[in-house]
Amino acid sequence: KAGVTQTPRYLIKTRGQQVTLSCSPISGHRSVSWYQQTPGQGLQFLFEYFSETQRNKGNFPGRFSGRQFSNSRSEMNVSTLELGDSALYLCASGTGYLNEQFFGPGTRLTVL
Amino acid sequence: DQQVKQNSPSLSVQEGRISILNCDYTNSMFDYFLWYKKYPAEGPTFLISISSIKDKNEDGRFTVFLNKSAKHLSLHIVPSQPGDSAVYFCAASPANSGYALNFGKGTSLLVTP
Repeated sequence: KAGVTQTPRYLIKTRGQQVTLSCSPISGHRSVSWYQQTPGQGLQFLFEYFSETQRNKGNFPGRFSGRQFSNSRSEMNVSTLELGDSALYLCASGTGYLNEQFFGPGTRLTVL
Repeated sequence: DQQVKQNSPSLSVQEGRISILNCDYTNSMFDYFLWYKKYPAEGPTFLISISSIKDKNEDGRFTVFLNKSAKHLSLHIVPSQPGDSAVYFCAASPANSGYALNFGKGTSLLVTP
């Protein structure tokens, strides 16, 4: 069974630009969550989508948004990029069993 | 506010000995707890989980203990192997929260030969 895939793996943007990251969950998983990992804050929950609906949202500004398609693939978008948005963005998909989540390799975003 | 805390940033253990990684939490609504292992440049890998109705769960060399009254959980790895060297994250979520995990900041484990 293929794992969670994320594209692109690396991205360099400049301040003020916007970016879209993509995630394909494990086949059969209907939940996709996004996390931001930075050295200072660790792993922080961004949002979760289930059957195309946002089910949970973390404490991030409105510049961070996402969506989920009917095939469960998900995208997250960050608008008006700031230097502090430089991070590893991780996507995880869920089995529905006891909150287990399986993570993708992440997208490393660098904002210059 | 950090609701899940891993107070030891690093731990060094000899091969063959027991590794004990600790985690404390503050939110009494947390109902489900997980441990993940992470290598550099990779996403976290799920290791083991436990729900609040249990106090122990085992899977091979890995055992997780939960002490709800102390709001404390620990991961025991026996015996430790050099391949276990990685960063270990503790995570927790309340019941009915969907998949919104709260993570600790991680403990870097080094297993030396």
